[in-house]
Amino acid sequence: DVKVTQSSRYLVKRTGEKVFLECVQDMDHENMFWYRQDPGLGLRLIYFSYDVKMKEKGDIPEGYSVSREKKERFSLILESASTNQTSMYLCASSLSNRVVYGYTFGSGTRLTVV
Amino acid sequence: GQQVMQIPQYQHVQEGEDFTTYCNSSTTLSNIQWYKQRPGGHPVFLIQLVKSGEVKKQKRLTFQFGEAKKNSSLHITATQTTDVGTYFCAGTTSGTYKYIFGTGTRLKVLA
Repeated sequence: DVKVTQSSRYLVKRTGEKVFLECVQDMDHENMFWYRQDPGLGLRLIYFSYDVKMKEKGDIPEGYSVSREKKERFSLILESASTNQTSMYLCASSLSNRVVYGYTFGSGTRLTVV
Repeated sequence: GQQVMQIPQYQHVQEGEDFTTYCNSSTTLSNIQWYKQRPGGHPVFLIQLVKSGEVKKQKRLTFQFGEAKKNSSLHITATQTTDVGTYFCAGTTSGTYKYIFGTGTRLKVLA
């Protein structure tokens, strides 16, 4: 079974802090994604990556950046956390960008910014 | 930009009743996927539909992709308490593997 592991289940950070959310997948997937999930808004794509060192903006990239130095790891960075970034963050991966596959999601990180 | 809407947002049913959620896209999709998220859990991939008019079944779940490839539905026959959760559709247009998720339908099944 593919595993997508997110480093923290719960995080509490202060406004203005720099926050790192880590995601690791163990099945050599090419594509990795960061979503945030908010009640009534579904899942919204923040950033995605289809290869090492490659990244593309999703629908709501403002206030976030990402890093993919190794194929298995995709990090989401909140440069200066704000209270409106309190949310559930979900990392996902999929096998290939040549053929369409379903996503495998991590368990999520619930981030609270105070 | 591309939008994917789902209705209803919430649905409460008695155990044994049927349930349907509908997904509508503002643009033509190349394929659509469905996911289930149990309370407190993360989305889990259920199925993918690719062809116009395609119908697929998984036990009591029936998935349909519209002829124009702009809508889809998920129908559950004789719901059980294990069906509780939020069901998401996710669509993509050709030339991209980036999926846009619908807003989800939260299903509650009353025993």
